[in-house]
Amino acid sequence: SQQGEEDPQALSIQEGENATMNCSYKTSINNLQWYRQNSGRGLVHLILIRSNEREKHSGRLRVTLDTSKKSSSLLITASRAADTASYFCATANSGGSNYKLTFGKGTLLTVNP
Amino acid sequence: GAVVSQHPSWVICKSGTSVKIECRSLDFQATTMFWYRQFPKQSLMLMATSNEGSKATYEQGVEKDKFLINHASLTLSTLTVTSAHPEDSSFYICSAVRGTIQYFGAGTRLSVL
Repeated sequence: SQQGEEDPQALSIQEGENATMNCSYKTSINNLQWYRQNSGRGLVHLILIRSNEREKHSGRLRVTLDTSKKSSSLLITASRAADTASYFCATANSGGSNYKLTFGKGTLLTVNP
Repeated sequence: GAVVSQHPSWVICKSGTSVKIECRSLDFQATTMFWYRQFPKQSLMLMATSNEGSKATYEQGVEKDKFLINHASLTLSTLTVTSAHPEDSSFYICSAVRGTIQYFGAGTRLSVL
């Protein structure tokens, strides 16, 4: 079953604006990961945040994790048209393996030039 | 590094035939690979965990006799869709684990006529 729920389901912004996507999950986790998928392609790993971390940065990406609320957010700053893709959060659940993931439903981000 | 190759990228077959999809980790060894199925505009659904040298672990509801998985080496896992029917038409994606990260192939679009 899909644990993660991304919000919003779709987001359309102008180039240069920031994009924020949220993810909620239901069970305890070891880590949470964000992936990007271009249409009709495989997924690309963006960032991993462990359950004992609250914030992580990678280039224009900023991820936060609030385990008390069971939620995470992905912020893409200064967006570009090439950022247009679907973004998925995925959780590695506590008690399971660190690498078996449960994916959310995804947010479709469209960055207009 | 961490390149995963999936082949073929697109296959059309007649109903009743079998189709084999290959997933190769090109620059690392992967004891564990995963096979997912994705319907249009939906998330990834885990089908099975492929373990090198042992039987695959299938998720609930996935027919092991229909979706045969073989992980004969540390760099290759194959998914064979046996006696394919139109309802098996979908996008199939594999991933290979290195550390705690899954690295994905580009996916295979299967169309069963």
